Amino acid sequence: SQKIEQNSEALNIQEGKTATLTCNYTNYSPAYLQWYRQDPGRGPVFLLLIRENEKEKRKERLKVTFDTTLKQSLFHITASQPADSATYLCALDDGSGTYKYIFGTGTRLKVLA
Amino acid sequence: DVKVTQSSRYLVKRTGEKVFLECVQDMDHENMFWYRQDPGLGLRLIYFSYDVKMKEKGDIPEGYSVSREKKERFSLILESASTNQTSMYLCASSGGGGPSHQETQYFGPGTRLLVL
Repeated sequence: SQKIEQNSEALNIQEGKTATLTCNYTNYSPAYLQWYRQDPGRGPVFLLLIRENEKEKRKERLKVTFDTTLKQSLFHITASQPADSATYLCALDDGSGTYKYIFGTGTRLKVLA
Repeated sequence: DVKVTQSSRYLVKRTGEKVFLECVQDMDHENMFWYRQDPGLGLRLIYFSYDVKMKEKGDIPEGYSVSREKKERFSLILESASTNQTSMYLCASSGGGGPSHQETQYFGPGTRLLVL
């Protein structure tokens, strides 16, 4: 079955730097991959979706890449701010042809002022 | 804006009680989901519904049931609550009923359930 790996250790970076988070998967290549942000005690919020035929997607300070050869997605936040501190989850379709997903456990990002 | 609401933010129940968690979405989404989230385990799918009265088991359905009598409402039922069901429960919806991607999931705020 599909497995997703996100760095479970927290990532601390200095304000203004670029944060890079990694999502690796092990089996089939998903048709698309999504990134969500989750704040403590709240539900995840959708950020970006990237499809298998797209190499890169951008939205304001966010950038996502999708490398189906490496089975990896990278999520970048440029010019990071303390308000970007949160847990970031990646999610893949589960390959069943329905809209069900497998979520990674998330990486906690802390941006230091 | 898509809105997904859950009936309670916090809930405390006793072992053996029947527990109802309700979720309502206002975007005419076909798909609705119930997850539980535990530290180190991430989000795990309990049940999924792709239409009214239709349901499909997720990865951890044991001890849970669901009901979807109306398109906008998806209920999670713990038939006899146990301490190992203490968790954060998250409802989500997705579908083509708005400007969102069909694939995007919209989550409610979550219900933190404590079973004593």
